[in-house]
Amino acid sequence: DIVLTQSPGTLSLSPGERATLSCRASQSVSSTYLGWYQQKPGQAPRLLIYGTSSRATGIPDRFSGSGSGTDFTLTISRLEPEDFAVYYCQQYGSSLVTFGGGTKVEIK
Amino acid sequence: EVQLVESGGDLVQPGGSLRLSCAASGFSFSSYAIHWVRQAPGKGLEYVSGIGSNGGSTYYANSVKGRFTISRDNSKNMLYLQMGSLRAEDMAVYYCARTSCSSTICYRPFEYWGQGTLVTVSS
Repeated sequence: DIVLTQSPGTLSLSPGERATLSCRASQSVSSTYLGWYQQKPGQAPRLLIYGTSSRATGIPDRFSGSGSGTDFTLTISRLEPEDFAVYYCQQYGSSLVTFGGGTKVEIK
Repeated sequence: EVQLVESGGDLVQPGGSLRLSCAASGFSFSSYAIHWVRQAPGKGLEYVSGIGSNGGSTYYANSVKGRFTISRDNSKNMLYLQMGSLRAEDMAVYYCARTSCSSTICYRPFEYWGQGTLVTVSS
């Protein structure tokens, strides 16, 4: 199974700041098969990014993704109040899809 | 509008059984594979199981293989998860989720999610 490790576990930032979230895979993942989700308390996950860098429908352009191989990054250019949430990376390039453990972005 | 609505979550004793349901609407249900993903309290997401569009292919995570059975009724736009030999570690919110594919294994992200149903395993 491909293990995804996200860091940091928690990111404390202020609105307007830039957030950089990391996702490291235990083996190489094709960039086609790496995605990011946002989850707010009591809600289902929402797809933000697929194929490493493509934004899902309706996702604002302050969200961007990059990376290749085993290292991937989600960047939120300027945090809005509604962006404080938990973010998960996911690989879907193997028969068993796996998720990272999540990064919580909290208000500083 | 695509909607997935889970139900059936309950308190069950260790070793017990439970059936979860997922009612789908807003899309051609019989054209898409549907999956179950769970989230233990305060924890991350874990893939559980998936079923192809015509029900002919299924996939299970090792953690539930032999204990859970996924099925679907395309005439009713319904997805099911029959859960048996439940353990404390099965306690979680169970989400049904959809990709853009008809096959169980299709290498696409989960575009649509339900709101989840809570399964509590405790004596």
